[in-house]
Amino acid sequence: KAGVTQTPRYLIKTRGQQVTLSCSPISGHRSVSWYQQTPGQGLQFLFEYFSETQRNKGNFPGRFSGRQFSNSRSEMNVSTLELGDSALYLCASSWSTDTQYFGPGTRLTVL
Amino acid sequence: GENVEQHPSTLSVQEGDSAVIKCTYSDSASNYFPWYKQELGKRPQLIIDIRSNVGEKKDQRIAVTLNKTAKHFSLHITETQPEDSAVYFCAALNSGGYQKVTFGTGTKLQVIP
Repeated sequence: KAGVTQTPRYLIKTRGQQVTLSCSPISGHRSVSWYQQTPGQGLQFLFEYFSETQRNKGNFPGRFSGRQFSNSRSEMNVSTLELGDSALYLCASSWSTDTQYFGPGTRLTVL
Repeated sequence: GENVEQHPSTLSVQEGDSAVIKCTYSDSASNYFPWYKQELGKRPQLIIDIRSNVGEKKDQRIAVTLNKTAKHFSLHITETQPEDSAVYFCAALNSGGYQKVTFGTGTKLQVIP
């Protein structure tokens, strides 16, 4: 099976702009979770979608949002970008609530 | 919700020595405990996992032990090699439940040649 893919891999934006990141899970996986990882930091949980519904949410401001489509692909959106949003954004897919398989990540730089 | 503590945050060992990373969890409903390895610039990858119905699992040089009573689990790496250098994350979850996966804060392991 193909692994989890994320697009784009790299992104440079300026403050105030918005950005949309995409994640395609492993075929058959219905759960997609998103994480923010900054240098030296762990995996900060953003949210999880399961069958097009947000099932869990982390402690991030409302500027961070997401959605999941009927084919399980997921997008996350960050509006009004701030310098502190520069990070590696990882998505992970799983069949339900079990082993997570991570994508390569999208490295976002906010200038 | 679940809370996972991971120690130490950094660990340096000489090549060939053993490394042990420990995690504790709070939710007695958690029944699945995966470990991930993240090399520099790469994605986290599952290296070993254990379910609550077993106390130990081995895969070549790595092993994981689980103590359900004390709510802690550990990763053991024997005969460490430079390629073991990475950040390791533990996690706990209720497989089959609807709560999110909770990760530990990570351990940066450095294996000195």
